[in-house]
Order: sequence, then C-alpha cells, then structure tokens
Amino acid sequence: KQEVTQIPAALSVPEGENLVLNCSFTDSAIYNLQWFRQDPGKGLTSLLLIQSSQREQTSGRLNASLDKSSGRSTLYIAASQPGDSATYLCAAWDTGFQKLVFGTGTRLLVSP
Amino acid sequence: EAEVAQSPRYKITEKSQAVAFWCDPISGHATLYWYRQILGQGPELLVQFQDESVVDDSQLPKDRFSAERLKGVDSTLKIQPAELGDSAMYLCASSLYPGDEQFFGPGTRLTVL
Repeated sequence: KQEVTQIPAALSVPEGENLVLNCSFTDSAIYNLQWFRQDPGKGLTSLLLIQSSQREQTSGRLNASLDKSSGRSTLYIAASQPGDSATYLCAAWDTGFQKLVFGTGTRLLVSP
Repeated sequence: EAEVAQSPRYKITEKSQAVAFWCDPISGHATLYWYRQILGQGPELLVQFQDESVVDDSQLPKDRFSAERLKGVDSTLKIQPAELGDSAMYLCASSLYPGDEQFFGPGTRLTVL
C-alpha cells in the first residue's frame, strides 16, 4: 500500500527566506506526483505536476524535483512571501491502485 | 479560466438527515473524483468516475453514501442518514483522464450536529 509522508508538519520562516518542503513515498511505482496548495477552509490549488519520467518542474518561484529511486520529492520556494502562507500537500498517482495518494501536508507560515 | 464548481459551500445538518452535494467538473474532463478530507489530514478518495461509470468506490461507505454521474458530466454525492463522524470537507476534482493533473473545486464543508 502506497504511503506518502510530508516532513515537517509545520514550518515558520521570516519573509524572504528560501525554503524546502519534503515529500516521501514508499512505492516507486508512481505515474506522476502533484503538489497542491490549500488555504484554510478552501479547496486545493494545483501548483506543479511532475511526470515519473521527469526530474523537475518549475513555475515562477516554485521548483519541484522528483527522485523515484529514493522515493522523494521536494518543493523549493524561493524568496518566500507572507502570501505563501498555506498548507502544501503532495500526492502521488499510484500505478497499482490507480489513484492519487495524499500526504498530510506541511503548514507553512511566512511572517513579515 | 475553467474551474470545478461545487455547491453548497457549507452545509449544517442534524444526524439522521439526508444531505446532497453537487459538482460540475471542468468541461471536457472525463474523470471525476469525490474526496473526503478530515481536518489536518490529506484528502481520501471516496469514488472515481470515468464518464458515467464508477471505476473505484472501494472506500465509499455504501450503506449510507451514494454517488451518481448520470450523463457523464455533473455529479451528485448523497449521504443518508448523516452521522456525526461524517463532518468533514467534501472535495470534488476532475481530470482529462485517470492519472492526469487533477483540478479541485472549492469544497463543501459539512457539519453534522
């Protein structure tokens, strides 16, 4: 059974700092990995999708990497801003179970 | 920009009552998903549709939950009767095909009293 873990559960940084969020998965048989942002009480916003054949994807200040062999993905946020404060979730599309398996998220707080 | 629509946004009901949630996916998306998210946890899949057919409802409590997507477009998720433990965020998502990028709606926050 695929399990997705995100560490740390919570992170607090000052504005302007570069930061890395970690995501690990137990089964390397994934089709892709998706990073989401969720604001309190809201739905999920897709940030980046990395196909299993790719190593990384970039969108603005965000860069996500994928290492299937080690079962790890990272989300790098450059020059963090207070507006980046949210919960960040990673999810792996499990090839065997044919569904998206989510981590429990990292709650990020960027203070001015 | 195309979005997934959900209604209602909030629902408060008493236990043993029936509730229904509606979802309209992004136009052209054949795959539709219903998730339940408990506070502090990641979403968990309840049911997945491919067009009008259910392809995965293994985690759907079928004694009280039902879902349909009659014309392969919008979908309804129903709970009858609601229980206290059903209080959660119910999220709908859609994608072009299974495994493609998923886009989520704003969710329905259900509170069962």
